[in-house]
Amino acid sequence: KAGVTQTPRYLIKTRGQQVTLSCSPISGHRSVSWYQQTPGQGLQFLFEYFSETQRNKGNFPGRFSGRQFSNSRSEMNVSTLELGDSALYLCASSLGSEGATQYFGPGTRLTVL
Amino acid sequence: KQEVTQIPAALSVPEGENLVLNCSFTDSAIYNLQWFRQDPGKGLTSLLLIQSSQREQTSGRLNASLDKSSGRSTLYIAASQPGDSATYLCAVGRNRLAFGKGNQVVVIP
Repeated sequence: KAGVTQTPRYLIKTRGQQVTLSCSPISGHRSVSWYQQTPGQGLQFLFEYFSETQRNKGNFPGRFSGRQFSNSRSEMNVSTLELGDSALYLCASSLGSEGATQYFGPGTRLTVL
Repeated sequence: KQEVTQIPAALSVPEGENLVLNCSFTDSAIYNLQWFRQDPGKGLTSLLLIQSSQREQTSGRLNASLDKSSGRSTLYIAASQPGDSATYLCAVGRNRLAFGKGNQVVVIP
């Protein structure tokens, strides 16, 4: 079974630009969660989508948004990029039942200059 | 708000020694606790998931225990190998995981 895939793997953007990251979950998984990982803050939860609806949301500004499509693929968008948005963005998929094991993708490394 | 702490932040052990990694959490009303491994620049690999009704889980050389009353979990790795060198992360929650900052482990051949 193919794992979670994320594209692109690396991105370089400049301040003020926007970016869209993509995540394809494991086949049959209906939940996709997004996390931001930085050296200072560690892993922080951004949001979770289940059956095309946002089910949970972390404490990030409105510049961070996401969506999920009918095939469970998810995209995350960050608008008006700031230097502090430089991070590894990880997506995880699960069956969606509460407490189900989450399986992570390799991440997208975003660098904001 | 759930706070997850992992101590020590980094440790080195000689090959063959048993590894003991600790994780503590502030809210005992957890749903599940999951241990992950992360290699440099890579994503997370799930190692073990302990449901809140369980006391421990085992997989090969790995054993994880959970004590909700004291807010602690311990990951044991028996007979460590250089390939075990990685960062180990503990996370608690239902679908919204709260992570510790990890134990960075180096196994010295």
